[in-house]
Amino acid sequence: DGGITQSPKYLFRKEGQNVTLSCEQNLNHDAMYWYRQDPGQGLRLIYYSQIVNDFQKGDIAEGYSVSREKKESFPLTVTSAQKNPTAFYLCAAGGAGAYEQYFGPGTRLTVT
Amino acid sequence: AQSVTQLDSQVPVFEEAPVELRCNYSSSVSVYLFWYVQYPNQGLQLLLKYLSGSTLVKGINGFEAEFNKSQTSFHLRKPSVHISDTAEYFCAVSVGTGNQFYFGTGTSLTVIP
Repeated sequence: DGGITQSPKYLFRKEGQNVTLSCEQNLNHDAMYWYRQDPGQGLRLIYYSQIVNDFQKGDIAEGYSVSREKKESFPLTVTSAQKNPTAFYLCAAGGAGAYEQYFGPGTRLTVT
Repeated sequence: AQSVTQLDSQVPVFEEAPVELRCNYSSSVSVYLFWYVQYPNQGLQLLLKYLSGSTLVKGINGFEAEFNKSQTSFHLRKPSVHISDTAEYFCAVSVGTGNQFYFGTGTSLTVIP
């Protein structure tokens, strides 16, 4: 069954703790993306990676970090420096020639 | 920078009535255009896309959209909506081959029985 998996679906953390969100794809796409979604603001790009071992900051990268050690995996760490981390996080994948991006089911992070 | 404007944040419509969700983008260069649907607490699902060719594109669930280059618009339409169409709809634009997307802020479609 092909697609993008994100885990967990819901995540709760205390303020000041780092947390890592998982994203795995078996679509064999080169590019992967992390978006943040807040009510009324649409999707905002956090980080993206076009190839293994390389990634670029998106529009709202402050307080986040990523790694791309494998083509299939693109984990996102929400650090304690992120001032307002509570949000819905979406991972996507796409590739040259594929044009569209394919999305995972999302992780809802709540920090209190 | 590219921008995408979805003119209506909320659209209520009665079941079996037609609906149009509006989308305008800023770029004057060649673009690829997309509409996605999102059900509560889920990811985005592709409804349809315009890459080239015919300006009227058909997608899943009976939706269609028309690309208008002169008006830089890509409005989404459905002739008769169902309760199950209640969801958030996002318009997106990709410029060039970099595969970076720009999303609108979304339109919440509510179908009223």
